[in-house]
Amino acid sequence: EDQVTQSPEALRLQEGESSSLNCSYTVSGLRGLFWYRQDPGKGPEFLFTLYSAGEEKEKERLKATLTKKESFLHITAPKPEDSATYLCAVRAPNQAGTALIFGKGTTLSVSS
Amino acid sequence: DTEVTQTPKHLVMGMTNKKSLKCEQHMGHRAMYWYKQKAKKPPELMFVYSYEKLSINESVPSRFSPECPNSSLLNLHLHALQPEDSALYLCASSQATGGYSQPQHFGDGTRLSIL
Repeated sequence: EDQVTQSPEALRLQEGESSSLNCSYTVSGLRGLFWYRQDPGKGPEFLFTLYSAGEEKEKERLKATLTKKESFLHITAPKPEDSATYLCAVRAPNQAGTALIFGKGTTLSVSS
Repeated sequence: DTEVTQTPKHLVMGMTNKKSLKCEQHMGHRAMYWYKQKAKKPPELMFVYSYEKLSINESVPSRFSPECPNSSLLNLHLHALQPEDSALYLCASSQATGGYSQPQHFGDGTRLSIL
């Protein structure tokens, strides 16, 4: 069964304290891995797409990487405004159409 | 600002009411989605439309009825809902591709409360 597992469930950081969020997946024939940020009461905001092992994407303080079994979202010198829930999602070839499988998310809190 | 617009932002309805949720996008996307999200849970897929045709119905109860009038609009008609249907309803859109997936772009949702 295709699965996506995110860890940790919650992460508290001090401003400037770098860390990483993990997304492990068991999908054969990955067709895309997506990172989203979701603020309370808002819809998920698209951050990155990764398609193949070794690929990396960067945006401001965020960097996403992909291996054959997992993806990491590295946060460098975070600021309080980076506080949000970060969702990972994958598409597998046995998913009809363009459906995604979401992980349960990591809630990040950054304090000043 | 999100490029997927959902209305209304909030909706309170009784179990006997009929209401509709609306979603609009002008990105030229030909795949549109409805998701349901409960508090502290990830989005759960409900329906997928591809080129204005329903391609996925994730065994959603018939009290939820989707409609795609054209390539920019997506509606979700609600009737005789239950209290457990209270949730954030999210609309998303993406380019429709058969192979590698394109990212889905979400609206900010409609917060639905069933009395």
